[in-house]
Amino acid sequence: GAGVSQTPSNKVTEKGKYVELRCDPISGHTALYWYRQSLGQGPEFLIYFQGTGAADDSGLPNDRFFAVRPEGSVSTLKIQRTERGDSAVYLCASSSQAGGYNEQFFGPGTRLTVL
Amino acid sequence: QQQVKQSPQSLIVQKGGISIINCAYENTAFDYFPWYQQFPGKGPALLIAIRPDVSEKKEGRFTISFNKSAKQFSLHIMDSQPGDSATYFCAASNEGDSSYKLIFGSGTRLLVRP
Repeated sequence: GAGVSQTPSNKVTEKGKYVELRCDPISGHTALYWYRQSLGQGPEFLIYFQGTGAADDSGLPNDRFFAVRPEGSVSTLKIQRTERGDSAVYLCASSSQAGGYNEQFFGPGTRLTVL
Repeated sequence: QQQVKQSPQSLIVQKGGISIINCAYENTAFDYFPWYQQFPGKGPALLIAIRPDVSEKKEGRFTISFNKSAKQFSLHIMDSQPGDSATYFCAASNEGDSSYKLIFGSGTRLLVRP
C-alpha cells in the first residue's frame, strides 16, 4: 500500500470491554511498532515486532495489553478489560528492516475512547 | 522518567521568522535524534534526523543543531510559513537497543501567523 493504514480510525467502547486495533504496515516492511499517544503528549513505545515475533514488549503497561503479528505483516493490538485510562491514540509504525536507523513510517492512528 | 525533555510547549511565530525548539536528553547511550512533524488527525512524519558525530545538519529550511557535551539538540525552522503550523516532536534512539524504539519528547505546538 501507499502507507501504513490503521483501522478503525475511531473506537468508542465501554469500560471493561475488549477491543482490537488493526495495523497494515507498508508492504515488505519487516519491523513494526506500536506506540500510544495521550492527549498533549508524545508517542510512547508499546511493542516492537521483527517479522512474526514480538522482539521487545517492554512498553506494554500491563497484561491487559497484547499484540500479535501472525504472518509477519498485519498486526493486531488487543486490549482486555478496557479502563478509562486506556483512552488515547494508538499509533502503528513500520520500517523496512530491523537493523540501522531506518525511518519509521507512522499510520494515522486509532483514537480509542473508553467511557 | 522523562528521558527527553522538550521546550517550549507552544510557540507563536510570524511568517518569515525563525522557529526554535529545544530538546535535552539524559541517556548518553542515545545516538540517533530525529524530529517528527505531526498535523492534526495524522501520524507523525519524519522531518530531519541527526547522529552525534556531527554538530549540525541542514535540509532546506530545517536545521538541527546538536551539542553532545550539553546533551541538547534543537530544531530551527527558517523563514517559517503558515503551512509549518503543526506539532513537532524530538525523539531519541539507541543503537544498542535492538528494537530501535523511539523515545519522544512531549511536543511543541507551533503556530505561524500570516
